[in-house]
Amino acid sequence: EPEVTQTPSHQVTQMGQEVILRCVPISNHLYFYWYRQILGQKVEFLVSFYNNEISEKSEIFDDQFSVERPDGSNFTLKIRSTKLEDSAMYFCASTEGDLYNEQFFGPGTRLTVL
Amino acid sequence: AQSVSQHNHHVILSEAASLELGCNYSYGGTVNLFWYVQYPGQHLQLLLKYFSGDPLVKGIKGFEAEFIKSKFSFNLRKPSVQWSDTAEYFCAVRGGYGNNRLAFGKGNQVVVIP
Repeated sequence: EPEVTQTPSHQVTQMGQEVILRCVPISNHLYFYWYRQILGQKVEFLVSFYNNEISEKSEIFDDQFSVERPDGSNFTLKIRSTKLEDSAMYFCASTEGDLYNEQFFGPGTRLTVL
Repeated sequence: AQSVSQHNHHVILSEAASLELGCNYSYGGTVNLFWYVQYPGQHLQLLLKYFSGDPLVKGIKGFEAEFIKSKFSFNLRKPSVQWSDTAEYFCAVRGGYGNNRLAFGKGNQVVVIP
């Protein structure tokens, strides 16, 4: 069964450094998402992406964040200058269509900012 | 913006006991409702979803959920749990046409004792 994959599974970085989290969505999916979960808190929506542009973003997704689909398979989340409060589990998701399809989630990348 | 509430964050029960997890969401027009499960070390997986029609929906592994519009609720149930149901359960809501973001509850950590 096709799966969303994410790399790395765990990333440790120093505050102020740039990180790129990578995701490979399911191949025929068209919509891509990033969510995050800070330890002990809810899973929060960050951004959705369709047709090579952001279709929706939350208030969390500020100028420090960017997303890109650099080729036909990868979907990346970049944090330009990490802060301690960016430490979280970051989940990528994809969906085949729009309104009536489930979002398939990847296993997550645990980001630790020191 | 949608908010989703899940109570009783930690649930411990014995095998064969019945399970009910509550989920309430804030009003925001037409909603799509989901329950996701995350088994230890695994991805978020869809258990069941409600879009329209019969408010009692059946999902995988013997789970079901009932949408009660007047109570803004979408409670998850299983009549007889197994040890393998030990997992974290998340209620999620998607609201409004063209709005793809999922709003998650905080999750219920369920432990089933053999």
